[in-house]
Amino acid sequence: QVQLRESGPGLVKPSETLSLTCIVSGGSIRSYYWSWIRQPPGKGLEWIGYISYSGSTNYNPSLKSRVTISLDTSKNQFALKLSSVTAADTAVYYCARGLGGLFFDYWGQGTLVTVSS
Amino acid sequence: EIVLTQSPGTLSLSPGERATLSCRASQSVSSTYLAWYQQKLGQAPRLLIYGASSRATGIPDRFSGSGSGTDFTLTISRLEPEDFAVYYCQQYGSSPTTFGQGTKVEIK
Repeated sequence: QVQLRESGPGLVKPSETLSLTCIVSGGSIRSYYWSWIRQPPGKGLEWIGYISYSGSTNYNPSLKSRVTISLDTSKNQFALKLSSVTAADTAVYYCARGLGGLFFDYWGQGTLVTVSS
Repeated sequence: EIVLTQSPGTLSLSPGERATLSCRASQSVSSTYLAWYQQKLGQAPRLLIYGASSRATGIPDRFSGSGSGTDFTLTISRLEPEDFAVYYCQQYGSSPTTFGQGTKVEIK
């Protein structure tokens, strides 16, 4: 059974960089597409971007200038960096596995990141 | 980007009743690349349907999806207590992939 688990700071200061890691267990990261998705409190879902098993990336244009997603196959994990954060970036951040065209069959439990000084 | 509009915003029904949820796209969704998710409070979304009508692994057959082009429907034939939740549609035929704003199915 594939499992994903997010980790990282729960509090980030405005203008700083948000950094999260997703550890994948029960399956290899050397297949599929690996995405980050976020959900502001009480709101809907927003796709941030993905990295493929080969290392190619695709980001949401609304966040592209601030996002970097990277892959570490030796640790079976991938990471998100979001720079120059503001309060609008406060959200639960999910990592997820993407299939065929990019629907998501496995999700992490989510981690709340609050942007505040 | 494709905007997905879900209706109604809230659906108030009793266990055993039929639920019909709508998802309308601002442009045609290519190759029926439309998925549905269920999200309960404090939990991650769970994949129900992909390819507009294919049930994900382990999803009961009371859940069904249909539609093409710009109009899609999720039907729950008989609501069980555990089905009361928020449901999201997602199109993945065009980048960026986008989600609808959600429909809450609540107990009447």
